[in-house]
Amino acid sequence: AQRVTQPEKLLSVFKGAPVELKCNYSYSGSPELFWYVQYSRQRLQLLLRHISRESIKGFTADLNKGETSFHLKKPFAQEEDSAMYYCALTPTGANNLFFGTGTRLTVIP
Amino acid sequence: DSGVTQTPKHLITATGQRVTLRCSPRSGDLSVYWYQQSLDQGLQFLIQYYNGEERAKGNILERFSAQQFPDLHSELNLSSLELGDSALYFCASSASPGLNYEQYFGPGTRLTVT
Repeated sequence: AQRVTQPEKLLSVFKGAPVELKCNYSYSGSPELFWYVQYSRQRLQLLLRHISRESIKGFTADLNKGETSFHLKKPFAQEEDSAMYYCALTPTGANNLFFGTGTRLTVIP
Repeated sequence: DSGVTQTPKHLITATGQRVTLRCSPRSGDLSVYWYQQSLDQGLQFLIQYYNGEERAKGNILERFSAQQFPDLHSELNLSSLELGDSALYFCASSASPGLNYEQYFGPGTRLTVT
């Protein structure tokens, strides 16, 4: 069975500081991994996916198969980054998402 | 609004009752997903439909059922409601099943069972 773990429920950083939101997964196959974000009063939306290897809003995430991790990083946090972040996994051959419990990021001005 | 819409926004009902949640996907999207977000379980996948047919099932209780209609809107039926069914229910849609197709989420329906 697959499982996504986000160990931090809450994370606070100062503006301009680096930020890392942790995500670990357990899955026997080769999953597809995603980060979703929910800003205040907005809908849950896709931030980035590992297959695209892209940087969105300054965020990047690298899949580390050895450590089964997919941490989300940004070198300089901005106030507008304050939101709820969810790591999600899709098993091989499927397209439904399995979510972690989320991390609420607060960027302190 | 051409995005995913869900009705109602809020629903308060009593234990033992039955409710229906409705979802209209984005224009052109054929696939619909239902998720449940509760305080203790987080965001969980319930069920997926594609072009009217059930495509995948997750942690959906037998008391819950869903369908997708010819106009592609979907309904999630929850029956014999229990206090633990209180949650936020999200619908998402995508153009097609498959990882290349982003899932777009609706605003959710908040269900409170008293």
